[in-house]
Amino acid sequence: TQLLEQSPQFLSIQEGENLTVYCNSSSVFSSLQWYRQEPGEGPVLLVTVVTGGEVKKLKRLTFQFGDARKDSSLHITAAQPGDTGLYLCAGAQGNKLVFGAGTILRVKS
Amino acid sequence: SQTIHQWPATLVQPVGSPLSLECTVEGTSNPNLYWYRQAAGRGLQLLFYSVGIGQISSEVPQNLSASRPQDRQFILSSKKLLLSDSGFYLCACEDPSNTEAFFGQGTRLTVV
Repeated sequence: TQLLEQSPQFLSIQEGENLTVYCNSSSVFSSLQWYRQEPGEGPVLLVTVVTGGEVKKLKRLTFQFGDARKDSSLHITAAQPGDTGLYLCAGAQGNKLVFGAGTILRVKS
Repeated sequence: SQTIHQWPATLVQPVGSPLSLECTVEGTSNPNLYWYRQAAGRGLQLLFYSVGIGQISSEVPQNLSASRPQDRQFILSSKKLLLSDSGFYLCACEDPSNTEAFFGQGTRLTVV
């Protein structure tokens, strides 16, 4: 059982569409991170959310941390082919940094 | 800023051979270090983590071991590789003052 459940597992959309990726858990996290990974490379940190209810924007990406700090979402507006990749959420559990299974996003032009 | 060096990038090894993957970190002190394995296009499975020199925690029983001989060096090893050890291995570094992780470029291991 994954500590962090991500949905959907796979998403294929057309350029210009909007999408939301979800990261859910039954555990409370002090913070959650979102990473993006391209094939053959390591994940790269996009954002860290710390406060319940927090919303952070990174250009066309909007990240939200749930009020109870158990879930988070990533919303992409007007997706572009360059957004294609694997999106991972991660949270700290004690000294361990654990990851969700990821959402594969493919944006077609 | 933190920099992680992980090598080699690609490795093909025969079944039964030993393994040593090395990861070194620059730009931080006393980091938490991690080894993850990733199946194709999927999430990261935590293999080992370390909060200090000589302190290793194993997450899953397996054919692998890890060591941390120096503060900024983390090594993943095996005495005898199995076919199931094939995968993409990632080293990560985390500053204990925050939970943001920085990753190496990964090692694609193929056991033949």
